[in-house]
Amino acid sequence: GIQVEQSPPDLILQEGANSTLRCNFSDSVNNLQWFHQNPWGQLINLFYIPSGTKQNGRLSATTVATERYSLLYISSSQTTDSGVYFCAATPGAGSYQLTFGKGTKLSVIP
Amino acid sequence: DVKVTQSSRYLVKRTGEKVFLECVQDMDHENMFWYRQDPGLGLRLIYFSYDVKMKEKGDIPEGYSVSREKKERFSLILESASTNQTSMYLCASSTPGQPGAFFGQGTRLTVV
Repeated sequence: GIQVEQSPPDLILQEGANSTLRCNFSDSVNNLQWFHQNPWGQLINLFYIPSGTKQNGRLSATTVATERYSLLYISSSQTTDSGVYFCAATPGAGSYQLTFGKGTKLSVIP
Repeated sequence: DVKVTQSSRYLVKRTGEKVFLECVQDMDHENMFWYRQDPGLGLRLIYFSYDVKMKEKGDIPEGYSVSREKKERFSLILESASTNQTSMYLCASSTPGQPGAFFGQGTRLTVV
């Protein structure tokens, strides 16, 4: 199966700072998603982004499928952005099993 | 909005007990999944199902079984709970017609 690697594993930011989280995957993917896991354990969908760029408020994501990576940008970070960010992908067409990276734990301090 | 509901947020069971974790989705999704999440290991797939009465093993099926008698419900069964099954369990659903997977709120299971 595909391998998904995320970096950095931990990140501490001052409120208001910007950050970039990276996700590398080992093979071509059919589905690439970013999730935020809040302190209560709920996984929240951020982006479905197998290719291209999307923006949602202070968050944006870019996937370069040919180079097998995706980036999640957080601008003007807030304490509520704290939590774990996961990247997950499925291999080629016909498969729906998401393989997750180990996550980036983000702590935004006031 | 898609809603995936897991029956319990927190559960404490004794070693050797048979444990049922229930998951219900309300969007008529064909695909349902059970993951467990452990510190440093991320989320790992236990079992999944593409249709009623169908099931497939994921990466770590040992010690678990599943049941899908109705399309909206996917149950994870620990036949004889052990302490190494203490974990956060997450259910998800998806459909070929809609991009992305949707997760329940998670069940934190402690086996003592």
